Amino acid sequence: GENVEQHPSTLSVQEGDSAVIKCTYSDSASNYFPWYKQELGKGPQLIIDIRSNVGEKKDQRIAVTLNKTAKHFSLHITETQPEDSAVYFCAADPTGNQFYFGTGTSLTVIP
Amino acid sequence: KAGVTQTPRYLIKTRGQQVTLSCSPISGHRSVSWYQQTPGQGLQFLFEYFSETQRNKGNFPGRFSGRQFSNSRSEMNVSTLELGDSALYLCASNLGGATQETQYFGPGTRLLVL
Repeated sequence: GENVEQHPSTLSVQEGDSAVIKCTYSDSASNYFPWYKQELGKGPQLIIDIRSNVGEKKDQRIAVTLNKTAKHFSLHITETQPEDSAVYFCAADPTGNQFYFGTGTSLTVIP
Repeated sequence: KAGVTQTPRYLIKTRGQQVTLSCSPISGHRSVSWYQQTPGQGLQFLFEYFSETQRNKGNFPGRFSGRQFSNSRSEMNVSTLELGDSALYLCASNLGGATQETQYFGPGTRLLVL
């Protein structure tokens, strides 16, 4: 089955700096890659996603890049704010509606 | 539109008991997926239901089962509870008719097995 690795597991940045989280996947059939943000006591919330026919996607301060050849994708958050502090998960979907998640990155933005 | 709702939000059970969790998807969504989230194993896929049929299944023992009703609401059942079943159980929904489709998660049911 698909195996998704995510790094780093924890990340601390100063407010205003950028944060980058990286994921790799193993199954070349994976063609959909969502990123979720999970705050304490809540379910994961989609923040951005990318499909396999696109190399990069941006939504305001958040961007995701995908390299299908190398089987890796990354989340970039610019101008970080304290409210960005949360756990972030990447996922890959090789079969449709069966997401394989990374182990999560706990992001702390220091004011 | 209302989001995905899950009931109950918290449950405490003892070993050997069984439990039923409920999930109501976003209106119009026909696919419901269930995930188990634990600190040690992270988020793991349990199963997916679409139009009352189980379409995908993860690698969990048969003690974990589910069903979906004609209104797309779904329940999952865990029988003969073990301590290791303590987890946050999340359900997610989407339209289910295409691949590369976003899943929208509910707040989860936190199950504690004593």
